[in-house]
Amino acid sequence: DIQMTQSPSTLSASVGDRVTITCRASQNIYSWLAWYQQRPGEAPKLLIYKASTLQSGVSSRFSGSQSGTDFTLTISSLQPDDFATYYCQQYNSHPWTFGQGTRVEIK
Amino acid sequence: QVQLLQSGAEVKKPGSSVKVSCKASGDTFTNFRTFSINWVRQAPGQGLEWMGNIFPGSGRANYPQRFVDRVTITADEFTRTAYMQLNSLTFDDTAVYYCAREAGFCSGGSCYSQEYLQHWGQGTPVTVAS
Repeated sequence: DIQMTQSPSTLSASVGDRVTITCRASQNIYSWLAWYQQRPGEAPKLLIYKASTLQSGVSSRFSGSQSGTDFTLTISSLQPDDFATYYCQQYNSHPWTFGQGTRVEIK
Repeated sequence: QVQLLQSGAEVKKPGSSVKVSCKASGDTFTNFRTFSINWVRQAPGQGLEWMGNIFPGSGRANYPQRFVDRVTITADEFTRTAYMQLNSLTFDDTAVYYCAREAGFCSGGSCYSQEYLQHWGQGTPVTVAS
């Protein structure tokens, strides 16, 4: 199985901060990576697919990038609605696997 | 807009089985048949875990090795409903179970599966307690 390692596990930040979350795949997944946002008590919501393509309707504050097997989710200017947990997920090969999540909390 | 409506909360005893449903609406019959419905679970305070998926039109299902002996995913095209049955429940199966449909589109008579999870149900809490 492909292991997805996210860091950090928790991130404290303030409104307006630029935030970066990383996800490393244990093997080559090309660009078959998605990012999801999950607020407490809610289902996950798709933010980005194919490593860097913004899902329709998602704020342009969110962006994704890739360097080899390292992937990055960036929030350019953190807003109150953005305090949530973020997960990466590879869909290169079965079984689909998720990172362990990064909780973004208010500093 | 695709909507996935899941069945309600369940409380089960260890050793029993649970069957959760996921009814799709707001989409075409062809899309329901073509694109996979996935099941993902989340234990309390934990991350997301993929349990498998099914392509409703063919009935073809995929399962991770750790669930292959305990999970059965089925789908009824005509009611546009997918089901996930988990057997031999233990306390560790206490979780919220989500269904999620992959992204995809049909154009010019062909359909293209995108595989990432675009549409999610609201979740079904399952509690295993004695």
